[in-house]
Amino acid sequence: TQLLEQSPQFLSIQEGENLTVYCNSSSVFSSLQWYRQEPGEGPVLLVTVVTGGEVKKLKRLTFQFGDARKDSSLHITAAQPGDTGLYLCAGPFGSGTYKYIFGTGTRLKVLA
Amino acid sequence: DAGVIQSPRHEVTEMGQEVTLRCKPISGHNSLFWYRQTMMRGLELLIYFNNNVPIDDSGMPEDRFSAKMPNASFSTLKIQPSEPRDSAVYFCASRPSGGVDTQYFGPGTRLTVL
Repeated sequence: TQLLEQSPQFLSIQEGENLTVYCNSSSVFSSLQWYRQEPGEGPVLLVTVVTGGEVKKLKRLTFQFGDARKDSSLHITAAQPGDTGLYLCAGPFGSGTYKYIFGTGTRLKVLA
Repeated sequence: DAGVIQSPRHEVTEMGQEVTLRCKPISGHNSLFWYRQTMMRGLELLIYFNNNVPIDDSGMPEDRFSAKMPNASFSTLKIQPSEPRDSAVYFCASRPSGGVDTQYFGPGTRLTVL
């Protein structure tokens, strides 16, 4: 069974601090996605990483896909209160192209 | 552009009652997904439609759950009879055709079964 474990589960930091959250699996994924979910809303896709070792940047967010394609990280520089939310990683599984397994999530709170 | 629309946003019902959740996908999207999110189990896929046809319902918990997509702009998820353990946030998501790997989620329906 493919599982995506995220850590830490909860994170509360002050505005301006840096942070890294992790998404780990014992299985190889062809790609991984990162979503952010704000309270009372659905998840919104931030990025998809597809190549082992790939690094993608989205403003203050840096995403990395592990060389072995079993893990990924999300680094936020100078966190802001607007970064508050639930961060989910997701990867495709099964024979089709539609099934995604979602990680356990990291709940981030950035204090002003 | 309007995103995925779900109704109601909140539903409180009593055990044994029928519950119907509604979803309007983004116009032109040909794939539709129903998910359930709980603290214990996270986000789980319940059923997937492609071109209005149910392709995979292996995530539907049991026969009390059913989903329909009568046309490209409307889908329902029905629970009958509802049980307290069905309490969760239910999301609908749609995806465009052409192999695009992005799902667009609606705001969800928070269901509480007393």
